[in-house]
Amino acid sequence: SQQGEEDPQALSIQEGENATMNCSYKTSINNLQWYRQNSGRGLVHLILIRSNEREKHSGRLRVTLDTSKKSSSLLITASRAADTASYFCATDSTSGTYKYIFGTGTRLKVLA
Amino acid sequence: DVKVTQSSRYLVKRTGEKVFLECVQDMDHENMFWYRQDPGLGLRLIYFSYDVKMKEKGDIPEGYSVSREKKERFSLILESASTNQTSMYLCASSLVGQGRDQPQHFGDGTRLSIL
Repeated sequence: SQQGEEDPQALSIQEGENATMNCSYKTSINNLQWYRQNSGRGLVHLILIRSNEREKHSGRLRVTLDTSKKSSSLLITASRAADTASYFCATDSTSGTYKYIFGTGTRLKVLA
Repeated sequence: DVKVTQSSRYLVKRTGEKVFLECVQDMDHENMFWYRQDPGLGLRLIYFSYDVKMKEKGDIPEGYSVSREKKERFSLILESASTNQTSMYLCASSLVGQGRDQPQHFGDGTRLSIL
């Protein structure tokens, strides 16, 4: 079953603009992670936010988590052409296993 | 840096063949995972392993098996390959950590085509 669902599916912006991607999930979580995937490569971990946190920053990345709405957002500020990639959210569950469930991703294209 | 190495970037096999995909990690991680990635479906977990010789089914284990004889190596086996198993296969590893809060480290994937 799909846990994380990203929105939008695709996003195209100009270099220097901000990019916002959203993730919704269905069941209770301990934490939520965001990953980036460049074309033809594996996923790279960006940031983790725990269920008791509301906001987290890492460089040009800002992640928010609203557990009451079961949603998270990833904001990339001052985007660069090198940010062109697919972005995935991944949620664990409180069921006691090490399984993470990944969404279908947002394809971001940053135009130079 | 953690390195997860998948033995092949591209692989072409025939229907009915037994196919082995190999994955090796160099950071002594307890957990290892196999996913397949298909357009519009995202990543789906096939199997994961939390220790040597230990494995647990993911969401789509049918038609696959796994082997973990050594901590650093996790193999995915397609018992009798079929065309619907044509996909990108991704291996990942992670530490155990507290509260399952460790990031997963991915290899670059194997693009498998079954003809």
